[in-house]
Amino acid sequence: AQKVTQAQTEISVVEKEDVTLDCVYETRDTTYYLFWYKQPPSGELVFLIRRNSFDEQNEISGRYSWNFQKSTSSFNFTITASQVVDSAVYFCALSHNDYKLSFGAGTTVTVRA
Amino acid sequence: DTGVSQDPRHKITKRGQNVTFRCDPISEHNRLYWYRQTLGQGPEFLTYFQNEAQLEKSRLLSDRFSAERPKGSFSTLEIQRTEQGDSAMYLCASSLDRATQANYGYTFGSGTRLTVV
Repeated sequence: AQKVTQAQTEISVVEKEDVTLDCVYETRDTTYYLFWYKQPPSGELVFLIRRNSFDEQNEISGRYSWNFQKSTSSFNFTITASQVVDSAVYFCALSHNDYKLSFGAGTTVTVRA
Repeated sequence: DTGVSQDPRHKITKRGQNVTFRCDPISEHNRLYWYRQTLGQGPEFLTYFQNEAQLEKSRLLSDRFSAERPKGSFSTLEIQRTEQGDSAMYLCASSLDRATQANYGYTFGSGTRLTVV
């Protein structure tokens, strides 16, 4: 069985603060894929990143960075110098095949000006 | 191409009525997916199509639910005899083959929010 846990339900920060979203996953597969999606108030899910299980390199994209650690089954996401436009629900997801994603419950991030 | 389109954006229906949602994927995408998202939860997989073939259905998709993709382009999701528990956001997504192995993942639409009263 696959499971994704996002323990933080809501996080509220003041603009320019850094915020880290935790994601812990469970899977018995040796090959799997991890994702982060952003869901703004408009509703559509916006793809942020994909990482496969064989690639543990951390990644940075602008103000976004991801820390993948297989030893702790975690794939955490950090927003540096947060902005009001970062306010959204963020989902971590896991897949072991090429068509079905298992999502966590999401973390609502509110960035206050 | 403007992305994945879903229609309607919102639907309010009385319990027991039938409803149908439409999804228009990105034109060159041969895969189409339906997910359901209830309040405060992440999306849950319902079903997916490879061209016009429906290849997998979740146990969440009861006999009252049916999805079609007749010509491998747009798709419809019908719910018969709606129940209050069907109230949710229904999300459609599309992709090329092996979406999880591509750097772009799926492309999701904005969803259809169903309220059953």
